[in-house]
Amino acid sequence: DIQMTQSPSTLSASVGDRVTITCRASQSISSWLAWYQQKPGKAPKLLIYKASSLESGVQSRFSGSGSGTEFTLTISSLQPDDFATYYCQQYNSYSWTFGQGTKVEIK
Amino acid sequence: EVQLVESGGDLVQPGGSLRLSCAASGFTFSDHYMDWVRQAPGKGLEWVGRTRNKANSYTTEYAASVKGRFTISRDDSKNSLYLQMNSLKTEDTAVYYCARVRYSGYDYRGYYYYMDVWGKGTTVTVSS
Repeated sequence: DIQMTQSPSTLSASVGDRVTITCRASQSISSWLAWYQQKPGKAPKLLIYKASSLESGVQSRFSGSGSGTEFTLTISSLQPDDFATYYCQQYNSYSWTFGQGTKVEIK
Repeated sequence: EVQLVESGGDLVQPGGSLRLSCAASGFTFSDHYMDWVRQAPGKGLEWVGRTRNKANSYTTEYAASVKGRFTISRDDSKNSLYLQMNSLKTEDTAVYYCARVRYSGYDYRGYYYYMDVWGKGTTVTVSS
């Protein structure tokens, strides 16, 4: 299985900060990567698919980039509603795998 | 509005069985592949399995951790997805989500799909 590793595991930031989360794959996954946001007690919400395509209805402050084995999720200006856990997920090959998550906390 | 509603979660003893359901509405259920994903308490997300649509012969895939114990099925006439869980273990304790799968693209190796809409989940606790 392809292993997905996110860094950092926890990130402390303030409202208005630019935030970047990294996701690395154990082998090339081309651009077949999605990013999800999850708040406590809630279902994950799709933010980005195919590494850089913004899901309809998602705020434009979220952006994704990368290909091959290294990917990033960037929040251009952190808002109060963005404090959550973020997961990357590869859908290049079975068995579809997630990163361990990055928790974005209030500084 | 696209909606997925899971049900059937319960407390069950190790070795027992349970059947989860997912009711879909707001989209053409029969067109889509569907996934189950779970999340153990305080842990990350784990993909459990997938069922494809009729055009792809309703084929299924499973994570190694559940293969041979869990079975995914669907009833397109009822817009419903199911997860039959047998020989349950304590490590199967989790919130179980159903998710709609959407086509992403293709390359020389094949076609690619990702999960775009998730239900709120149902809780399964395996304990004596």
